Amino acid sequence: ETGVTQSPTHLIKTRGQQVTLRCSSQSGHNTVSWYQQALGQGPQFIFQYYREEENGRGNFPPRFSGLQFPNYSSELNVNALELDDSALYLCASSLKRELYNEQFFGPGTRLTVL
Amino acid sequence: KNEVEQSPQNLTAQEGEFITINCSYSVGISALHWLQQHPGGGIVSLFMLSSGKKKHGRLIATINIQEKHSSLHITASHPRDSAVYICAVPPSGGGADGLTFGKGTHLIIQP
Repeated sequence: ETGVTQSPTHLIKTRGQQVTLRCSSQSGHNTVSWYQQALGQGPQFIFQYYREEENGRGNFPPRFSGLQFPNYSSELNVNALELDDSALYLCASSLKRELYNEQFFGPGTRLTVL
Repeated sequence: KNEVEQSPQNLTAQEGEFITINCSYSVGISALHWLQQHPGGGIVSLFMLSSGKKKHGRLIATINIQEKHSSLHITASHPRDSAVYICAVPPSGGGADGLTFGKGTHLIIQP
């Protein structure tokens, strides 16, 4: 059974650019959540996708958008990057969308915005 | 929104010591997650519990739903236990607002 994978591992962008981060869910998982973790802080919820539809969203502006594909892999897109977007971005997949189910986290993508 | 507080924020102990990390939250929940994060970022799920106690190897997690409190214990601690330990709770009412995380407890076990 393959775990959750994310790509790329590290990324450096400049302010104003756009970025796409990818997450491959654990086999059979139809739900994926994305989180942003600033240095020294706990992760903050960005959004959740369930069966290809957005199923909940945290307090992030519309320039944070996502997609989930039929194979349940997922993308996080961030437009017009700002310096404060520098963070570790984590995805977590689960068998069901309810968050009292076990969450399986990926290794994260570390984004640096210069 | 649930407020999740962890204590202590930082903990340094000697190898072999018994470790306790605490987590309290403000709104009733159906379950609580304990997670481990190593340097480099990856998060591993340790426990998900809704009542009582769970044990896995040297790790024990307890929860008191009425008191809105959970603890993570590590017995016979080892330097490889050094990591950040985070508790997280689902939204109350079962909504899809994502997990709310504590800020984490940074644990260092010295040989």
